Amino acid sequence: GQQLNQSPQSMFIQEGEDVSMNCTSSSIFNTWLWYKQEPGEGPVLLIALYKAGELTSNGRLTAQFGITRKDSFLNISASIPSDVGIYFCGSSGNTGKLIFGQGTTLQVKP
Amino acid sequence: NAGVMQNPRHLVRRRGQEARLRCSPMKGHSHVYWYRQLPEEGLKFMVYLQKENIIDESGMPKERFSAEFPKEGPSILRIQQVVRGDSAAYFCASSPRTSGSMETQYFGPGTRLLVL
Repeated sequence: GQQLNQSPQSMFIQEGEDVSMNCTSSSIFNTWLWYKQEPGEGPVLLIALYKAGELTSNGRLTAQFGITRKDSFLNISASIPSDVGIYFCGSSGNTGKLIFGQGTTLQVKP
Repeated sequence: NAGVMQNPRHLVRRRGQEARLRCSPMKGHSHVYWYRQLPEEGLKFMVYLQKENIIDESGMPKERFSAEFPKEGPSILRIQQVVRGDSAAYFCASSPRTSGSMETQYFGPGTRLLVL
């Protein structure tokens, strides 16, 4: 079945560093969504992408919908301690349901 | 403008009991999705419902699991005769539509089910 490969699996960085993570798939998708999940909470939407090539920013976060429609990346600039969490990419075709990557666990050292 | 509401937040059941999880979508959203998350894993799709209709239940286990989204009231995910392997976090999401920018799904805080 369809699946998303998300990397890296985990990152441990110094406060102030930039972070990059990505998701790839063998299938074409219509939507790429990036979520952040903190312990004991549900995923919170960070950025939504709807068109191939689209580049969108939300504060220190920037994400792009790959031109092939099979990948997406999320960048976080100048990381801060509250960026800690698990970041998930999610994608959908025309079916409504989301397929999720395995998540990238981010830890930030002050 | 309330977000997606789920209750209970935590649920403890003994093997063989029934678990009922409730989800109220965001105001104006008529599409509801249920996902399951096992510890240290990503979210896995279970079922997609609109009011009074199951649209896609391809992720639902064939037995013991059922879902509904009645005309009035919240969506219910029901697990009969729970087993230890059902222990997980169950998340509900809602969206206004399923195309274009309206298909973005917003998640609730989840129900953490523990089966003893």
